[in-house]
Amino acid sequence: DAGVIQSPRHEVTEMGQEVTLRCKPISGHDYLFWYRQTMMRGLELLIYFNNNVPIDDSGMPEDRFSAKMPNASFSTLKIQPSEPRDSAVYFCASSLGDRGYTFGSGTRLTVV
Amino acid sequence: GEDVEQSLFLSVREGDSSVINCTYTDSSSTYLYWYKQEPGAGLQLLTYIFSNMDMKQDQRLTVLLNKKDKHLSLRIADTQTGDSAIYFCAESGTGGYNKLIFGAGTRLAVHP
Repeated sequence: DAGVIQSPRHEVTEMGQEVTLRCKPISGHDYLFWYRQTMMRGLELLIYFNNNVPIDDSGMPEDRFSAKMPNASFSTLKIQPSEPRDSAVYFCASSLGDRGYTFGSGTRLTVV
Repeated sequence: GEDVEQSLFLSVREGDSSVINCTYTDSSSTYLYWYKQEPGAGLQLLTYIFSNMDMKQDQRLTVLLNKKDKHLSLRIADTQTGDSAIYFCAESGTGGYNKLIFGAGTRLAVHP
């Protein structure tokens, strides 16, 4: 298995633009998580899905953030409009039950 | 609430043992995890321990769990320069057994 695949690896965008981050989880995994990592706040759980259904989105910072999982093999995290304070590394992870997460390599987002 | 605390830095000499400590708050956590993050990469699951165990050994890694004190440690024997990374402790919080709460991470520096 190729692992959890995230795209793009790097994204630089101007303030106010829409940004879409993509994730392909490991086939057969039933949980998918979106995390944000910054120096100041560490790893923050934004939202997670179980069998494509959002379970907990309490970590989503504000209405500018949205996430979808239209099927078991694809998820997106969208920021509209983006702001400089959204600059961070965004990780997607998937898991099967409670057997620990497998993380993707992350998307480094820079909003200028 | 749920919280995981770790010291931020640890410096060791190559060949010595490293001990990374972690305290957590949720006594109902089923599993506790150690993850490793190398520069520019996602988090990699190193090992995990079931909450009814006191110790788990896996090659150079030894995990000790003191459930009474809610203290978890990771010992790396014969530390090598390739072990330099950030190590994250995580507990499965009460928000859902598969929802992991991460500590801030301990940066391990290995010097000759």
